[in-house]
Amino acid sequence: SQQGEEDPQALSIQEGENATMNCSYKTSINNLQWYRQNSGRGLVHLILIRSNEREKHSGRLRVTLDTSKKSSSLLITASRAADTASYFCATALIGNTDKLIFGTGTRLQVFP
Amino acid sequence: DTAVSQTPKYLVTQMGNDKSIKCEQNLGHDTMYWYKQDSKKFLKIMFSYNNKELIINETVPNRFSPKSPDKAHLNLHINSLELGDSAVYFCASSHGRGAPSTQYFGPGTRLTVL
Repeated sequence: SQQGEEDPQALSIQEGENATMNCSYKTSINNLQWYRQNSGRGLVHLILIRSNEREKHSGRLRVTLDTSKKSSSLLITASRAADTASYFCATALIGNTDKLIFGTGTRLQVFP
Repeated sequence: DTAVSQTPKYLVTQMGNDKSIKCEQNLGHDTMYWYKQDSKKFLKIMFSYNNKELIINETVPNRFSPKSPDKAHLNLHINSLELGDSAVYFCASSHGRGAPSTQYFGPGTRLTVL
């Protein structure tokens, strides 16, 4: 099974609504990152949260990390049609931060 | 001004052929990666080089051989292509080792093996 599993697999919302995606992992981490992938494109880094951090914000993005539950969530507030993309969490393990292990992704569709 | 570039963008070839994908980054990073994304969008690391030294080598068939002529370039050569090699291959780069760092991805190369 994967180090990172995301849920839901797919999410459809209207513009203006908030979108929440969750990521669970199995092994202790050094940091966790979220990436976005637009259709037919490469991944774009959104935010990095270290294992000793609990919450980070970047614009309309809010990421939380609960290391006791080995889970993270990404909240996109006031979503826009342009937020339509796949979102992936990626974990860097302690002692092996060169290697990112990607989750299964959440496909977000925002309807105008 | 593309940060991480890959060529070609699309590659269609017959089974049994040998092909290469090239990657270049102009970010001054010293670590580069190859990932494979399958049809279910699952992204898995294949190789990583730091300053031309191989540091990650996942369980990948030895038909796949990465080559890093310098720290700005990481190419991927694939011998005897098989149907299962069809996927999107992404190159990425990052700065430094041993510290949290983000990765910058190229646009991908869609490989189709017929």
